[in-house]
Amino acid sequence: DIQMTQSPSSLSASVGDRVTITCRASQNINSFLNWYQQKPGKAPNLLIYAASSLQSGVPSRFSGSGSGTDFTLTISSLQPEDFATYYCQQSYNTPWTFGQGTKVDIK
Amino acid sequence: QLQLQESGPGLVKPSETLSLTCTVSSGSISSSSYYWGWIRQPPGKGLEWIGSMSYSGNTYYNPSLKSRVTISVDTSKHLFALKLNSVTAADTAVYFCARQTAIPAYFDYWGQGALVTVSS
Repeated sequence: DIQMTQSPSSLSASVGDRVTITCRASQNINSFLNWYQQKPGKAPNLLIYAASSLQSGVPSRFSGSGSGTDFTLTISSLQPEDFATYYCQQSYNTPWTFGQGTKVDIK
Repeated sequence: QLQLQESGPGLVKPSETLSLTCTVSSGSISSSSYYWGWIRQPPGKGLEWIGSMSYSGNTYYNPSLKSRVTISVDTSKHLFALKLNSVTAADTAVYFCARQTAIPAYFDYWGQGALVTVSS
């Protein structure tokens, strides 16, 4: 299985901050990397697919980059509704696997 | 807007079979562009993909669960189903159904999730 490792596991930030979350794959996954946001008690919500494509309806302050083994999710200016847990997921090989999550909370 | 809704028992006894269905509305379950998948999340933990199936019956499962899992699709009823047998407390989780695109694969629509507790 391809292991996905996110860093950090949690971070505290303020409204307006630029936030960067990293995801590393245990092998080359080209650009087969997706990002999701999950709020407590809710289903995950797709933000970015294929490493850098913004899902329809997702605010443009979210962006993704990377290829191969190293990927980044960036929130350019953190908004109150962005406090949540973020997961990366690889779709290069089954079984699809997720990172352990990065919790973003209020500083 | 496509909607998915999980349903099924919230409590299952150890060694028995967990059964959930996911009803798809406001969209077609019979499109060749999509698969229909299940993902679970133990309380306070991360996400684990269980398996996915196309409407035509092409199915693939997580090897860690493959011996215990069956996913099926009923296009006439616009639903797909999950069966997980021989459950233990480790199978206690919120179970999500979701639509998966083909290539690249990602989950773009999700149900709200169903908590299933395994306990006697």
